[in-house]
Amino acid sequence: GESVGLHLPTLSVQEGDNSIINCAYSNSASDYFIWYKQESGKGPQFIIDIRSNMDKRQGQRVTVLLNKTVKHLSLQIAATQPGDSAVYFCAGTGNQFYFGTGTSLTVIP
Amino acid sequence: DTGVSQDPRHKITKRGQNVTFRCDPISEHNRLYWYRQTLGQGPEFLTYFQNEAQLEKSRLLSDRFSAERPKGSFSTLEIQRTEQGDSAMYLCASSYGPSGYEQYFGPGTRLTVT
Repeated sequence: GESVGLHLPTLSVQEGDNSIINCAYSNSASDYFIWYKQESGKGPQFIIDIRSNMDKRQGQRVTVLLNKTVKHLSLQIAATQPGDSAVYFCAGTGNQFYFGTGTSLTVIP
Repeated sequence: DTGVSQDPRHKITKRGQNVTFRCDPISEHNRLYWYRQTLGQGPEFLTYFQNEAQLEKSRLLSDRFSAERPKGSFSTLEIQRTEQGDSAMYLCASSYGPSGYEQYFGPGTRLTVT
């Protein structure tokens, strides 16, 4: 079946460093991917998206990279701040939206 | 606040009881989604509506689950004869446009079945 999965369940980074969160997907027909941030007790919050015809997309302090050859995408957060501490999910389209299990990012002050 | 709202935020019920959750999407959004999320997992798709039409249902949505969006605005999700395995966070999201990809999530309803 379709799936997206994250390589690491937890990630700790020092405040000010860059963070990279990785995700692999199985459905080569997925044409759209999204990264979400979920803080404790809240619903997921849209961060950035990318269509399958793109390799890279940049937002404010965030960059998403898509490698269709190996079915891999990553989220890069520049100058990570304590407020970035959360669980990050990648999601892809198929017949429905598929979410990965999430990576918990902890920013160490 | 004009975001997605859900009610109640928490629900504790005994096994075998029926529960109903409500979701109010962002007003101009034509698509509405229901997800279930258990601890440590990503949201799992349950169903979605485009306006009042229910267009997709996951196989996770057993016969005990039913969702409605009668006027294309708010939606309800009912679980009949609840089981302990139904304990989870139930998330609602809405989106606008033909693709519906950029979904805005509500805070969720946490269900605990005892």
